[in-house]
Amino acid sequence: EVQLVESGGGLVQPGGSLRLSCAASGFTFSSYGMSWVRRAPGKGLEWVSFITSSFTIYYADSVKGRFTISRDNAKNSLFLQMNSLRAEDTAVYYCARGFAATWGQGTMVTVSS
Amino acid sequence: DVVMTQSPLSLPVTLGQPASISCRSSQSLVHSDGNTYLFWFQQRPGQSPRRLISKVSNRDSGVPDRFSGSGSGTDFTLKISRVEAEDVGVYYCMQGTHWPYTFGQGTKLDIK
Repeated sequence: EVQLVESGGGLVQPGGSLRLSCAASGFTFSSYGMSWVRRAPGKGLEWVSFITSSFTIYYADSVKGRFTISRDNAKNSLFLQMNSLRAEDTAVYYCARGFAATWGQGTMVTVSS
Repeated sequence: DVVMTQSPLSLPVTLGQPASISCRSSQSLVHSDGNTYLFWFQQRPGQSPRRLISKVSNRDSGVPDRFSGSGSGTDFTLKISRVEAEDVGVYYCMQGTHWPYTFGQGTKLDIK
């Protein structure tokens, strides 16, 4: 069974940092592009970042220069390093496989003083 | 960025009746590889999103056949032939042709 499990969310002050992780199982992780997608409270979905199987990386303009996506194929894991966090980054963050055929359960990030 | 515009944003439907959601993109979603990367997602209350349709009209595994997708170029439609109680939630279209990938605003479906 394909499974994605996010972790690392929490409460952080504006300007702070968090590192999200996504543990993947049930498929050949190295063969798939992987994404982070978020949903802010009361808002719609926003594609945050995407890393291909060959490590090409894309970011939404809203996070470019502040967030860094990475992957460790040996550990079947996806990461999102989030720096200089802002209140508008408050959201549930999901990792997703490929064109979001499979999603994790999400991890909540709250940026507030 | 490609803007995805859904309508309606709110869709009250009687159980057993059909429902239709429109999605329009600000530019063609035909990729240089010939595919059209238009997807539909459902997010039920309290759950993670779930993909229903890929590349305009291909139902994902386990998706009931009452869901269907159609369209081309810049105009796309998701149809539910007979709405059931479990279909309540928010529906999103999404384009994966041009980076950044973008979602529509979401259509909230509920039961009348």
